[in-house]
Amino acid sequence: DAGVIQSPRHEVTEMGQEVTLRCKPISGHDYLFWYRQTMMQGLELLVYFNNKAVMDDSGMPKDRFSAKMPNASFSTLKIQPSEPRDSAVYFCASSLGQGGNQPQHFGDGTRLSIL
Amino acid sequence: AQSVTQPDIHITVSEGASLELRCNYSYGATPYLFWYVQSPGQGLQLLLKYFSGDTLVQGIKGFEAEFKRSQSSFNLRKPSVHWSDAAEYFCAVGAWQAGTALIFGKGTTLSVSS
Repeated sequence: DAGVIQSPRHEVTEMGQEVTLRCKPISGHDYLFWYRQTMMQGLELLVYFNNKAVMDDSGMPKDRFSAKMPNASFSTLKIQPSEPRDSAVYFCASSLGQGGNQPQHFGDGTRLSIL
Repeated sequence: AQSVTQPDIHITVSEGASLELRCNYSYGATPYLFWYVQSPGQGLQLLLKYFSGDTLVQGIKGFEAEFKRSQSSFNLRKPSVHWSDAAEYFCAVGAWQAGTALIFGKGTTLSVSS
């Protein structure tokens, strides 16, 4: 079975540019999570969806970040304008059923570098 | 709200020696507990999970973990470490309520010396 698929795997862009990260969850999973991982902050939950609806986006900087899930098999995380402090590895994960008591399945991440 | 503490940031173990990684959680009810492993350049992979029942759970790659309610702990163990086990390990706790997310610890980096 295909796992969580993220694209691109690596992204290098200049400050001020728009960045779009993409995620395809495991088929049938109705929870989708976006995380950011840095050396300093560790793994941070940015936003998560249940059945395409945002459940909690309190971890996401709203002024420059936006997350969408237009259908059950696709989600995007957009940063506009990007800043050097956004450099991190961004992970998407999905899970089945009730999010709190089901394991999350992670993609391989997008390594983002903002110059 | 639940929380997770992994007291050890970095641990070094000799190859072939036993391993124990500590995890303490805070939650008012019976928690759902998970251990994940992250190898360099990869995403997090589920090692094992505890939902209920037997407090000693077996996972992949020869790992096991024991849930101790009295100590609010869920420590990860392996009897003999291999060099390929060098990675970062995350403990996570989940609640039974629908619509909630897992809470992850800060992680423990495991180095394996020869």
